[in-house]
Amino acid sequence: GAGVSQSPRYKVAKRGQDVALRCDPISGHVSLFWYQQALGQGPEFLTYFQNEAQLDKSGLPSDRFFAERPEGSVSTLKIQRTQQEDSAVYLCASSLGGRGEKLFFGSGTQLSVL
Amino acid sequence: QQQVKQSPQSLIVQKGGISIINCAYENTAFDYFPWYQQFPGKGPALLIAIRPDVSEKKEGRFTISFNKSAKQFSLHIMDSQPGDSATYFCAPNSGYSTLTFGKGTMLLVSP
Repeated sequence: GAGVSQSPRYKVAKRGQDVALRCDPISGHVSLFWYQQALGQGPEFLTYFQNEAQLDKSGLPSDRFFAERPEGSVSTLKIQRTQQEDSAVYLCASSLGGRGEKLFFGSGTQLSVL
Repeated sequence: QQQVKQSPQSLIVQKGGISIINCAYENTAFDYFPWYQQFPGKGPALLIAIRPDVSEKKEGRFTISFNKSAKQFSLHIMDSQPGDSATYFCAPNSGYSTLTFGKGTMLLVSP
């Protein structure tokens, strides 16, 4: 597609529910990143894929967070047993090459946990 | 985010004025210094970036100034326009690290 696509755009979950957030990166982009952005803050790194390999998951806040990119294109971020503190915008970004190159961001999924 | 400090947190500039946003970093291994622009409801988008081999880069109304010894770089927006109203993030990094974003500067350009 023309840009990075994320779905759903908005997600409301009850505390304790599991959620899955999808990211369609730009076709041909090798690298894919997930970021979490709290209101009024800068994006914070969660995890990084190069093709299907998850090379860095140091930013995932707990073992309730899990990300995958099984075929090296579409990625899913799953949050199990959601908590109120998980409420944030989850941003996906892709880049043609490695970590330091220009990132193209999607518009994000705004998650609200009630 | 402790590695990167942005200032000011917010900025109001009159149309036609100059907006200046600063970023200080700690990691001397950083070798790529971008500024990202984010509008409400959108993801950040790369605005302009500089490598440490030059001290200044200009693209249209946007200029990055880089001071390696002070470990600082800044974004200058000349002839600021209401359409420039957005949040700006610095995100220095090296080729072996992921972007570390500052906390952002909310710019409002008044008509």
